[in-house]
Amino acid sequence: QKEVEQNSGPLSVPEGAIASLNCTYSDRGSQSFFWYRQYSGKSPELIMFIYSNGDKEDGRFTAQLNKASQYVSLLIRDSQPSDSATYLCAVKGPGGNNRLAFGKGNQVVVIP
Amino acid sequence: NAGVTQTPKFRILKIGQSMTLQCTQDMNHNYMYWYRQDPGMGLKLIYYSVGAGITDKGEVPNGYNVSRSTTEDFPLRLELAAPSQTSVYFCASSVRTGFNQPQHFGDGTRLSIL
Repeated sequence: QKEVEQNSGPLSVPEGAIASLNCTYSDRGSQSFFWYRQYSGKSPELIMFIYSNGDKEDGRFTAQLNKASQYVSLLIRDSQPSDSATYLCAVKGPGGNNRLAFGKGNQVVVIP
Repeated sequence: NAGVTQTPKFRILKIGQSMTLQCTQDMNHNYMYWYRQDPGMGLKLIYYSVGAGITDKGEVPNGYNVSRSTTEDFPLRLELAAPSQTSVYFCASSVRTGFNQPQHFGDGTRLSIL
């Protein structure tokens, strides 16, 4: 059973600061890693994916992947109040059905 | 382009009633999924389908049934509603090719069983 862990509690960051979110996974065969943002009462929306070790940057977001240590992280630079949401880590294992295993999510609150 | 459309958006059921949650997508995606999300939790996979006529169980299939007669539609059936099925249900779809293809989500159905 694939497991995806997001253990941090709610994260409060001042506006303009960096928010850092971490995610660990148990299946070493996992291929792709996704970060979804979910506003309260809304559906998840994709913000980034990564599948190679190292960093991937997209605007104010940077995803970092370390397959040897089995973790993936998300950095949000210059945090804005609109970044206040729950961030879900999702991991795709081996196999061709594109199944994702989701973590419980990390709530981020950006304080103006 | 509507993407993934779910109906209804809200529903209250009595214990023991049955209902079907509808999901349709217009992106010609082969893969479709049903998730449930309980408060403060991540998404749990109920059932998924890799194409018309093919369905398979996910992590939490008990109490649910699905069918996939067309590429576009993937309804989820609750036969005997129980309070434990109170949740938000999301339908998602993705293309078949490419290991980094994301899943696209509908707006969800909020279901309460009383």
